[in-house]
Amino acid sequence: KNQVEQSPQSLIILEGKNCTLQCNYTVSPFSNLRWYKQDTGRGPVSLTIMTFSENTKSNGRYTATLDADTKQSSLHITASQLSDSASYICVVTRGTGGFKTIFGAGTRLFVKA
Amino acid sequence: DVKVTQSSRYLVKRTGEKVFLECVQDMDHENMFWYRQDPGLGLRLIYFSYDVKMKEKGDIPEGYSVSREKKERFSLILESASTNQTSMYLCASNRAYEQYFGPGTRLTVT
Repeated sequence: KNQVEQSPQSLIILEGKNCTLQCNYTVSPFSNLRWYKQDTGRGPVSLTIMTFSENTKSNGRYTATLDADTKQSSLHITASQLSDSASYICVVTRGTGGFKTIFGAGTRLFVKA
Repeated sequence: DVKVTQSSRYLVKRTGEKVFLECVQDMDHENMFWYRQDPGLGLRLIYFSYDVKMKEKGDIPEGYSVSREKKERFSLILESASTNQTSMYLCASNRAYEQYFGPGTRLTVT
């Protein structure tokens, strides 16, 4: 079954600290994996996108990694800021025809001052 | 910059009402999508469209219909709103791998 699981479900960290969010997937065949940031009450905004051949991609203080062998991805946030408080959603797209995109349930990150 | 807009940020409707949610994108994308988002469930695909007047069911189409009369506009219709359709509704359009989301409409059905 094609699934995307994220952990932890929620995370609280102090401002300035680093954190890592996890995404495990069983989607096959794999096409690409994306991380989105969603602020409360707003639509998701893309952070990174990685295809099979990419294992790291950065966007400012956000660094995503992908291990296609173990079907795991992580999103590392460096030197967290209060504005990083949001939901982070992992999305995996299948490599066959159609638009089969599977969304993780998200990790809710709270950054405290 | 790609822009996806939705007609309302917040909407309150009564049970049994017909509800229209409008979505407009300005980047000439062929593919457009409607999702609903509920706590702990992530985004679930309701319907999508890959061309004008074309539509395909997603994972949870029951109770919904869609309309795509123009390339830039994709409408979601709740024929007879029910309380279990209270949710956040997100529209998206697609270019290659990248999917761009609108700000969402929080619909409450009372």
